[in-house]
Amino acid sequence: SQQGEEDPQALSIQEGENATMNCSYKTSINNLQWYRQNSGRGLVHLILIRSNEREKHSGRLRVTLDTSKKSSSLLITASRAADTASYFCATFQGAQKLVFGQGTRLTINP
Amino acid sequence: DVKVTQSSRYLVKRTGEKVFLECVQDMDHENMFWYRQDPGLGLRLIYFSYDVKMKEKGDIPEGYSVSREKKERFSLILESASTNQTSMYLCASSFFLSGLAIEGQFFGPGTRLTVL
Repeated sequence: SQQGEEDPQALSIQEGENATMNCSYKTSINNLQWYRQNSGRGLVHLILIRSNEREKHSGRLRVTLDTSKKSSSLLITASRAADTASYFCATFQGAQKLVFGQGTRLTINP
Repeated sequence: DVKVTQSSRYLVKRTGEKVFLECVQDMDHENMFWYRQDPGLGLRLIYFSYDVKMKEKGDIPEGYSVSREKKERFSLILESASTNQTSMYLCASSFFLSGLAIEGQFFGPGTRLTVL
């Protein structure tokens, strides 16, 4: 069952521009996580935001969370070619299981 | 640095073969997970384990079994491989979460399995 859904499914921008991806979810959450996956590789945990937080930063990443709208956004500022990857949001279903959305495929053009 | 390793990056098997996918983590994590990832379907949980010899079915356990004899190792077994099991298989691990503790999962590099 899918909890998080990312939007858009694909995004293509020029290097140096900002990239914004959105995630919507259905049920109440304690936290929401974002992961990155480079082509053909495993996922890498990027950032976790708790339900009582509205915004969190990590380097060039900014995550917001709006629990009233059941949505989150991931902003990557000053994008680089190395940011080309798929990005997934994930929320917990039960105590130990993470449920992932289908991801946004981000392409950074030089 | 947490390391999750998987026994093969690429694997080609024939229909009907028994297939073992191995995953090892070095961070003393209690939880280990097996996912498969297919285009348009995202990551789907096959099985997970929160302790040695313990296992729980995920969303798509049919056609798979698992083994967790040691804390650091979690094996996924395809008893009789079929072409619809051609996929990318991802292993992950995490600490057992209790109370307000929250953590991310650490993933291996993936095994791309092709069943002919």
